[in-house]
Formats: sequence, structure tokens, C-alpha cells
Amino acid sequence: DGGITQSPKYLFRKEGQNVTLSCEQNLNHDAMYWYRQDPGQGLRLIYYSQIVNDFQKGDIAEGYSVSREKKESFPLTVTSAQKNPTAFYLCASNWGAKPQHFGDGTRLSIL
Amino acid sequence: KQEVTQIPAALSVPEGENLVLNCSFTDSAIYNLQWFRQDPGKGLTSLLLIQSSQREQTSGRLNASLDKSSGRSTLYIAASQPGDSATYLCAVLDNYGQNFVFGPGTRLSVLP
Repeated sequence: DGGITQSPKYLFRKEGQNVTLSCEQNLNHDAMYWYRQDPGQGLRLIYYSQIVNDFQKGDIAEGYSVSREKKESFPLTVTSAQKNPTAFYLCASNWGAKPQHFGDGTRLSIL
Repeated sequence: KQEVTQIPAALSVPEGENLVLNCSFTDSAIYNLQWFRQDPGKGLTSLLLIQSSQREQTSGRLNASLDKSSGRSTLYIAASQPGDSATYLCAVLDNYGQNFVFGPGTRLSVLP
């Protein structure tokens, strides 16, 4: 079955540490997105990529970095510069203006 | 900058009731609007997508309407069931077709 796989499901970060969240899709979608969700709030866009080797900052890109070396993969790195990283992170993909497909998310917490 | 709001923030109804969830957006220059369902600790599942030129979309017991000029959409759920309990989010896509803006969601509880 086609879909989006996010891993790990839970992740813990130590002070000063960078961590990377994985997002893989087998839907052959061109566009991929990373969102952050905090309790009681909507999703906020971190980064998005329309094609391989190209990506754009969203509304809250500071403290995050991404790469898009393959169409199927769009990993997100939460750097030590992100001072409040505790949140639920969601990856999505779509083609054109079609509905977005979402992964099951990664919950990041601080140790 | 586009802003999306949803009312109410939470709703609790007995099983069998018909209900309406509301979504408002500030900039009417949208390409489409989507309604999503989110179960606790999970990702979002797309329910309905309405193009800017459409007035409504239906899927089973769900009906979504769009009034672009007034910046409003409603999601109507008929004959609610306990399995409908979830958070419902709306999102608009800008006219460039690149940026989705999400509302904060309405948390629905359907009591048996």
C-alpha cells in the first residue's frame, strides 16, 4: 500500500543535540511538507519542497533544516538552535493541488 | 497573511445528532479548502476537498460547503456516531497552490 512513513514515533533530545526525523513516501508525489503541531493549535509549516534538490522555508523554519536528495525522502533535522522543540511533527506529501497525505507523526520531547 | 479560525473549539453531542462545524478564513483568494480528521496521536486524514469554484462536496454522511466571498466553510455531519469522535481541521490552499494554512481544529466527542 502506498503511504507516508515517519520514524521514529517517539524521540527524545538532550540539550545541545541535533536530532533527525525521517519521512519516506512511496506515493510518487512531487511535493513534501513538514509541519509542527502544538496542543490546541493548528499545524504550522516548517519547510516544504516542490521538487528534488529544492526546498523553501515555511513560517517557522528557524532552528530546523531539511534536505531533499531523493523524491521519496524529506528528512527534518531539529538543531540545538531550536529552543522549544517539544511538539508533534507531521510530514505530508501531495501532487499538484490534490489532497495532502499525512504520516502518523513523530512526538519529540526534551530530556 | 491568511488566518484560519474554527468554531467551536470543542463540541460534545449525543449519538444520532446532526451537527455543524465552522471554518473561517480571512483572505478569499484561495485555490481550494480541505477538511481533515485527526485521531489522537495520529496524522491527518483528508475527508473532503472543495475547489474554489465549487459550492459543496459530499461523502457519505459528510457534507462540506464553501462560501468564498464571505470566507466561510461548514462541515455538516449527519446522524453522528461515537466513531466520529476526533479533531476536525480545515485548511485552505493559497492561489499559488503551494501554501496550506490550517485552522486550530474542533474537538468532537459523540457520546453513546
